[in-house]
Amino acid sequence: LAKTTQPPSMEAYEGQEVNVSCSHTNIATSEYIYWYRQVPHQGPQFIIQGYKDYVVNEVASLFISADRKLSTLSLPWVSLRDAAVYYCIVTDNYAQGLTFGLGTRVSVFP
Amino acid sequence: DPKIIQKPKYLVAVTGSEKILICEQYLGHNAMYWYRQSAKKPLEFMFSYSYQKLMDNQTASSRFQPQSSKKNHLDLQITALKPDDSATYFCASSQERTPNTEVFFGKGTRLTVV
Repeated sequence: LAKTTQPPSMEAYEGQEVNVSCSHTNIATSEYIYWYRQVPHQGPQFIIQGYKDYVVNEVASLFISADRKLSTLSLPWVSLRDAAVYYCIVTDNYAQGLTFGLGTRVSVFP
Repeated sequence: DPKIIQKPKYLVAVTGSEKILICEQYLGHNAMYWYRQSAKKPLEFMFSYSYQKLMDNQTASSRFQPQSSKKNHLDLQITALKPDDSATYFCASSQERTPNTEVFFGKGTRLTVV
């Protein structure tokens, strides 16, 4: 049973805001939510992590629902460089490694 | 400058041969990992090491053997190579294994077994 569910793909034009949702209905109280992205021929890159409420950094913002079953990664003003596969990961133990699903492929058009 | 160096970037090997994938990290991290990504498949966690000790092994085959000669090194030896081993292998590292840990990935070694 998958721990997270994301839309397979999304499209946007440069300058638009992109919101990528992630469902994690069975999230445990000890688990945190992480977002990574991967561009072709590169390893994944950390974007943001959170436990509850709202988190923001210089790259993105993360909104987590009150019951923590849904999170939304928000990318403001996307550019062509933001085209990537975005992964939502839920875990509480890095020793077991990160479990990557199929992610959401975000395409950005000029 | 890349902080996680993986060598080589590309590798072609003959079925049945043995290869070693090199990984060095210069982030001062205590934990290192190996992941594999086959064509059109999700990234797959293989091994985790902490302070040069194996913490978790999710690889069923003993043909894959991590080797840590130094704290900042975690090489991956693959023996009796098969075409199904063709994939991009990513090395990663992190400072601590806690919820606030960010995991950094290298650029990968693309292995093709013919």
